Amino acid sequence: GAVVSQHPSRVICKSGTSVKIECRSLDFQATTMFWYRQFPKQSLMLMATSNEGSKATYEQGVEKDKFLINHASLTLSTLTVTSAHPEDSSFYICSASERYEQYFGPGTRLTVT
Amino acid sequence: GENVEQHPSTLSVQEGDSAVIKCTYSDSASNYFPWYKQELGKGPQLIIDIRSNVGEKKDQRIAVTLNKTAKHFSLHITETQPEDSAVYFCAAVIQGAQKLVFGQGTRLTINP
Repeated sequence: GAVVSQHPSRVICKSGTSVKIECRSLDFQATTMFWYRQFPKQSLMLMATSNEGSKATYEQGVEKDKFLINHASLTLSTLTVTSAHPEDSSFYICSASERYEQYFGPGTRLTVT
Repeated sequence: GENVEQHPSTLSVQEGDSAVIKCTYSDSASNYFPWYKQELGKGPQLIIDIRSNVGEKKDQRIAVTLNKTAKHFSLHITETQPEDSAVYFCAAVIQGAQKLVFGQGTRLTINP
């Protein structure tokens, strides 16, 4: 199957700082990438959908000024958590779409202290 | 919008036995149904999928069945092994859309 990478896998940051997470499709071009958040023992919650070269579409209740998404190329999307707070601590997962199929990255564990 | 219900939430089976996880969906316009396996601390891995023009699909020990009339689909794992232990998610995609609508997940435990 297609391979999606995420970097970093884990990050710890102080409250008030910003953190950038990268998502790359390694062996295919992804016109659409998705960002999810997952709380312990829960399903994935879609945060936003991003298409290459256009603005991301955010799900209801997700603050677009807090979670900045950039999809500058067909293989790279970034999520920046701005002015992070402890309640932003979570497991963030990206996925990249190739036709119907969505392939997920390994996830990024964010801890805000 | 689409709603996907998944059962059971937890499932424990003896190694070598079969496991079945069931999902129902609400929107008849859904036409793509993937299944994902998620191990602890990792991202979901696509293990099998089915489109609405097919009733059944099999890949070695894994099979998925789809009943469009009843709007439900199921994952079947035969000859289970300890490495099958994980959380499994079903999902549905409405035709023309891209978003996955996930079920709540099933924690499968294979007992040796």
